[in-house]
Amino acid sequence: GAGVSQSPSNKVTEKGKDVELRCDPISGHTALYWYRQSLGQGLEFLIYFQGNSAPDKSGLPSDRFSAERTGGSVSTLTIQRTQQEDSAVYLCASSPIFSGTSGSKQYFGPGTRLTVT
Amino acid sequence: DQQVKQNSPSLSVQEGRISILNCDYTNSMFDYFLWYKKYPAEGPTFLISISSIKDKNEDGRFTVFLNKSAKHLSLHIVPSQPGDSAVYFCAASFNAGGTSYGKLTFGQGTILTVHP
Repeated sequence: GAGVSQSPSNKVTEKGKDVELRCDPISGHTALYWYRQSLGQGLEFLIYFQGNSAPDKSGLPSDRFSAERTGGSVSTLTIQRTQQEDSAVYLCASSPIFSGTSGSKQYFGPGTRLTVT
Repeated sequence: DQQVKQNSPSLSVQEGRISILNCDYTNSMFDYFLWYKKYPAEGPTFLISISSIKDKNEDGRFTVFLNKSAKHLSLHIVPSQPGDSAVYFCAASFNAGGTSYGKLTFGQGTILTVHP
């Protein structure tokens, strides 16, 4: 079966413009996560979805960032009024129903490289 | 507050020798640890994991060791191969009242280069 896919793979935008990043998780995976990796940094958690609801948005850096998930599948991360510090690789991951005894093996997409000029 | 740390930005080893990648954590609530490998322009891929109830987990050439008292884990690759050259991330998660959601906290990564 197909893995996690993300689009676009690369996005260059001007400062102040809005961008939308898309994630298609593995079919049947109920949990979906967004992370970002800035240059030279580790992966930073942004938001978690269980089904269509987002019980944890604690990693979103500002109110310019929002995300939604529809039909328990596709998710869109939106960044409004982009700033240069938003430049990073945005990664999406999905996992099956989380079992507290087995930890959380997440499957990652290839990422979207966002460059804000 | 960096809860998961990989203090070595890079590691270089000869093909056939052992690679040892280290990771330290500060949050004693973490109870599940994972290693991911990442090639350029690709997403991280799961490598191996360990639960806090164990101190060792082995999968082929890869072994992860966990020292809970020291809050330290390490990944051993034996023998190392040129195809192992990649960035390695350690990550941790924890149960929160039995309703954990599996959020991963990552280290900064270590670039492993295996020379032929």
